[in-house]
Amino acid sequence: QKEVEQNSGPLSVPEGAIASLNCTYSDRGSQSFFWYRQYSGKSPELIMSIYSNGDKEDGRFTAQLNKASQYVSLLIRDSQPSDSATYLCAVQPSNSGGSNYKLTFGKGTLLTVNP
Amino acid sequence: DAGITQSPRHKVTETGTPVTLRCHQTENHRYMYWYRQDPGHGLRLIHYSYGVKDTDKGEVSDGYSVSRSKTEDFLLTLESATSSQTSVYFCAISRGAETQYFGPGTRLLVL
Repeated sequence: QKEVEQNSGPLSVPEGAIASLNCTYSDRGSQSFFWYRQYSGKSPELIMSIYSNGDKEDGRFTAQLNKASQYVSLLIRDSQPSDSATYLCAVQPSNSGGSNYKLTFGKGTLLTVNP
Repeated sequence: DAGITQSPRHKVTETGTPVTLRCHQTENHRYMYWYRQDPGHGLRLIHYSYGVKDTDKGEVSDGYSVSRSKTEDFLLTLESATSSQTSVYFCAISRGAETQYFGPGTRLLVL
């Protein structure tokens, strides 16, 4: 069973701080990694995707991938109350291709940004 | 909005009745997925489709069937609903290895 684990949370940070969300995965050959944000009562929406080791920045968001450690993280700089949501880590497994592009999701981390 | 709609958005039904949920896309994406989301379990894949009439099981497929007779529509059927199938159901689409985009969800309550 390929697993994706996220820090359990909930995570609470003050406005303006850096929020750090972490995710580990068990399938060493995983190829693609995604972070989704889900507001309460809404559907998941893509925040970041990352495919190679290192950092990828998009505005206030930075995704970090370390395949050797099987670890992916999401940093949110200058956190805002509007960032308060559940963040889902998703991993595309090593056997993807052809008919199979399934994602395995972590259970999510609830982030609260306090004004 | 990735051009995905789900219907109905809310449904209350009784144990033992059949239920069909519909996912409709306007993006002509090849791949479509059905997930359920429950507290403490996260998003779990029920079934997926990689083309018209091409479907396969996900990790929690027992009690569910699917059909895809047209590119734009992917139907999820609960043949005989049980209380354990009370959940929020999300449809997602993708071109393949690219990002999956989610529909607005259907809240199903089985009494």
